[in-house]
Amino acid sequence: EDKVVQSPLSLVVHEGDTVTLNCSYEVTNFRSLLWYKQEKKAPTFLFMLTSSGIEKKSGRLSSILDKKELFSILNITATQTGDSAVYLCADYGGSQGNLIFGKGTKLSVKP
Amino acid sequence: DAGITQSPRHKVTETGTPVTLRCHQTENHRYMYWYRQDPGHGLRLIHYSYGVKDTDKGEVSDGYSVSRSKTEDFLLTLESATSSQTSVYFCAIMGGRTDTQYFGPGTRLTVL
Repeated sequence: EDKVVQSPLSLVVHEGDTVTLNCSYEVTNFRSLLWYKQEKKAPTFLFMLTSSGIEKKSGRLSSILDKKELFSILNITATQTGDSAVYLCADYGGSQGNLIFGKGTKLSVKP
Repeated sequence: DAGITQSPRHKVTETGTPVTLRCHQTENHRYMYWYRQDPGHGLRLIHYSYGVKDTDKGEVSDGYSVSRSKTEDFLLTLESATSSQTSVYFCAIMGGRTDTQYFGPGTRLTVL
């Protein structure tokens, strides 16, 4: 069965900390892995990863994919309270080739 | 913004009534999706469309139907709403030459 598992499910840190969010996947016909940030509204796109070992970076956020070990990580350095959100990982795969979402990691950044 | 709107944004209805949610895009993208999001389940695909009049079922399609008569509009219908269909519904489009899906603002539906 195709699945995407994120860990931890929730995380509380203080401003300035660095966090690593994990996403492991088991999907047939893997094509790409996406990360989204969701505050109290619609998910917003962060990164799409298709190749192993190539880091995608945007400001304090970065992500990398390991296709051999079937996982991805999302790093956030020097966290700010505005980083508080649910971070979603999703993979294209499966028989229909649609996005399969993990349940998300809820990140809370305390001042 | 990805040029996606959803209507209504909030709706309260009673069990057994029909409900139609609308997703409208201005991007002329071929692929459109309907998801529902529930605590503990994350985002789950209901139906999707890969062109006008071309639709297919997703993971949780029971109790839902869709229609796409124009590129820009994708309708989700609950023929007879049940309390288990209380959820937040998101529409998404797949943009351009990449696999990236962009989401609409969502519709919060409450079935009493």
